[in-house]
Amino acid sequence: AQTVTQSQPEMSVQEAETVTLSCTYDTSESDYYLFWYKQPPSRQMILVIRQEAYKQQNATENRFSVNFQKAAKSFSLKISDSQLGDAAMYFCAYRTRDEYGNKLVFGAGTILRVKS
Amino acid sequence: GAVVSQHPSWVICKSGTSVKIECRSLDFQATTMFWYRQFPKQSLMLMATSNEGSKATYEQGVEKDKFLINHASLTLSTLTVTSAHPEDSSFYICSARRPNNEQFFGPGTRLTVL
Repeated sequence: AQTVTQSQPEMSVQEAETVTLSCTYDTSESDYYLFWYKQPPSRQMILVIRQEAYKQQNATENRFSVNFQKAAKSFSLKISDSQLGDAAMYFCAYRTRDEYGNKLVFGAGTILRVKS
Repeated sequence: GAVVSQHPSWVICKSGTSVKIECRSLDFQATTMFWYRQFPKQSLMLMATSNEGSKATYEQGVEKDKFLINHASLTLSTLTVTSAHPEDSSFYICSARRPNNEQFFGPGTRLTVL
């Protein structure tokens, strides 16, 4: 079974600085998706960024980028120019790519605090 | 992005009563919906996968007679917590899957059982 590990329960970053959230996963599959979700205090899950395993290029969405290391099974999220609105719980998630690969497997989450 | 709604957003009930939570995909047909449970500052725990027109598939350890799931149409799935007890108090989140496999989450329902 696939597992996702987030080893940082909490992280802090100064506003306008850069922070990296770590995620590792375990799978025997070669093709899959990886995601980072943000859950602010409202508790609405928001997709931050998505990476397809067959793509070598790291995904980027504005201030958010990932460092995807397939061989190491590592998928970290970098947030640049941190803003107060980035404060949230961040979840790393895995999903298989096949037609029936519905389930998202979530990590334990990392609480990100942004200091002004 | 696509919109998924949940109703109610917050419910308080007495121990022993049943509570129904609705999950709707507002602008797309969802062949599959998922139900999660989340305790404070913890991750989402998948409870069951609901496919339209068929029985839900429950994760190990989730009581199917306790948490009844019905996916009667392509836009609506319901979770009924039967004979609720205080330990069932939690945040319940649904997500809906589009045909292209993208998943969208509802805003969640906070259940408090007194």
